[in-house]
Amino acid sequence: AQSVTQPDIHITVSEGASLELRCNYSYGATPYLFWYVQSPGQGLQLLLKYFSGDTLVQGIKGFEAEFKRSQSSFNLRKPSVHWSDAAEYFCALNTGGGNKLTFGTGTQLKVEL
Amino acid sequence: GAVVSQHPSWVICKSGTSVKIECRSLDFQATTMFWYRQFPKQSLMLMATSNEGSKATYEQGVEKDKFLINHASLTLSTLTVTSAHPEDSSFYICSARGGTSGSSYNEQFFGPGTRLTVL
Repeated sequence: AQSVTQPDIHITVSEGASLELRCNYSYGATPYLFWYVQSPGQGLQLLLKYFSGDTLVQGIKGFEAEFKRSQSSFNLRKPSVHWSDAAEYFCALNTGGGNKLTFGTGTQLKVEL
Repeated sequence: GAVVSQHPSWVICKSGTSVKIECRSLDFQATTMFWYRQFPKQSLMLMATSNEGSKATYEQGVEKDKFLINHASLTLSTLTVTSAHPEDSSFYICSARGGTSGSSYNEQFFGPGTRLTVL
């Protein structure tokens, strides 16, 4: 069965610093991968997705993620974090065929001013 | 495009009453809708999957008689929490997907969520 691991439960960065949120997955083939952001009391907003093709994916709000098959990873990055980026971030996987999403446990990002 | 709405955004009810939550796809036809439950500071837990015109498929451990799901049209699914109790208090999020193949079939669009508090 597929799974998604987000090793970091909490991450704190200073505003303006770079950010990398880790996501590892377990699946035998190439999955569809997603990063979502959730602000308190809100639904999920899609930051970016990887289906195929270029392994470096650009998303909204200045985020990018790189799919690395050899490492089964899909880490999210941002070169300079803004205070408004403080939120919960979820990595998710879909095995295709219209199957359901498998979510990671999430990473809570705190931004220090 | 691909906007999903939920109503109400929050609801408070007394124990023993039933509460209905609506999930609508505003600009696309949702062949499938999903209902999730999220506890504070936790990830989303899939409760059930509903296809338009069919009975919902519930995940293991989810009481189908407790959480009634109806997907009567391609733009509307409802979740009814019957005889609600305080332990049903949670954040409920729906998502929808359209199409039957291709990239849109493998992407879900999420609603803003409904906060249910049962007193």
